[in-house]
Amino acid sequence: NAGVMQNPRHLVRRRGQEARLRCSPMKGHSHVYWYRQLPEEGLKFMVYLQKENIIDESGMPKERFSAEFPKEGPSILRIQQVVRGDSAAYFCASSPRQGGWVDTQYFGPGTRLTVL
Amino acid sequence: EDKVVQSPLSLVVHEGDTVTLNCSYEVTNFRSLLWYKQEKKAPTFLFMLTSSGIEKKSGRLSSILDKKELSSILNITATQTGDSAIYLCAVEARGKLIFGQGTELSVKP
Repeated sequence: NAGVMQNPRHLVRRRGQEARLRCSPMKGHSHVYWYRQLPEEGLKFMVYLQKENIIDESGMPKERFSAEFPKEGPSILRIQQVVRGDSAAYFCASSPRQGGWVDTQYFGPGTRLTVL
Repeated sequence: EDKVVQSPLSLVVHEGDTVTLNCSYEVTNFRSLLWYKQEKKAPTFLFMLTSSGIEKKSGRLSSILDKKELSSILNITATQTGDSAIYLCAVEARGKLIFGQGTELSVKP
């Protein structure tokens, strides 16, 4: 059973470009979470999605950031007009979340975004 | 504001030592507390704790939750160099995980 997959693993963008980060959850998992780890800081929640629904986006910056988890295909975190402060490791996690039981979130290897 | 605090922030020990890592939290809508190990890549799941006083154990690692004191500890006995990593404590509240800063453990041979 493959784990959570993220690509690309490393992404370099120039200021003003767009960054697209992809996450494929573990098989059988229908819930996806995105976290950001800035240099020398802990992991911070960004957004929680279920297929075709955003459940909680309280951690997303108000501008330039968006996320989706379509019916088919991976979840996408999109950052428009990137700035140097967006340089970070972006981790995706997934969980099965069935019927309200407490769930374990399993993490992917992360995408390291560098903005030049 | 929800908060998870870990201590110490860093720790250097020698192989064979026993270490105790601490995690305290102030989180509304607490559902569970989780421990992860991070070695320059994905956080790897260690334990999930939901009930107070019940120890979870996996090999040389063990953890326990105290809901009255709003805290948890992670113990590692007979440490090995392969235990060197950042240990993350997180509390789940309504789906999202709130992480502490992590404890960086370095085990010297």
